[in-house]
Amino acid sequence: ETGVTQTPRHLVMGMTNKKSLKCEQHLGHNAMYWYKQSAKKPLELMFVYSLEERVENNSVPSRFSPECPNSSHLFLHLHTLQPEDSALYLCASSQVARSVHEQYFGPGTRLTVT
Amino acid sequence: DQQVKQNSPSLSVQEGRISILNCDYTNSMFDYFLWYKKYPAEGPTFLISISSIKDKNEDGRFTVFLNKSAKHLSLHIVPSQPGDSAVYFCAATIQGAQKLVFGQGTRLTINP
Repeated sequence: ETGVTQTPRHLVMGMTNKKSLKCEQHLGHNAMYWYKQSAKKPLELMFVYSLEERVENNSVPSRFSPECPNSSHLFLHLHTLQPEDSALYLCASSQVARSVHEQYFGPGTRLTVT
Repeated sequence: DQQVKQNSPSLSVQEGRISILNCDYTNSMFDYFLWYKKYPAEGPTFLISISSIKDKNEDGRFTVFLNKSAKHLSLHIVPSQPGDSAVYFCAATIQGAQKLVFGQGTRLTINP
């Protein structure tokens, strides 16, 4: 595996379900990010982990809960979501010591909340 | 309030001609700008960037121009190729911060 991988690629869940999105980076980076992309809207930064510590929480509702157990893995735990949470969720990574601006993205998880 | 705007949701260009994608920003603190390209079913991939100390950066067929006084940047692709058909996102940041602010994207279609 190379680059940034995300699983699952597609997820349909009811509003009462609990599910988790997984991201894994194979680039040796030390920062990881969750973004949300809704239709016709810009990518919205949700969370940033740098050196396994959360450094950014962009006013995200508590029904989204991130977890970064190590520098290679990032999870987004989902519970009691709303239909408006349906979106493409993208994970990214970067190397803080180098150019933090160049983030490498995974393919995303397409989430549908019914 | 959207700090980075791409006002053209789509653009169609003939193969071989120049594609020009535009981006405007409102935050004068931004000092580093990037362009990403996204194919369907894939994540965005980094294309080219420019620091605010420059007004132009070139990489092969891709050139980014920055006009700080107008808070405007543009991406030029010449000559355009069918493989350039994708969604292009403009992003901005403040150096030292770990936060990219993205525009809505422009869907570029290159016609043979």
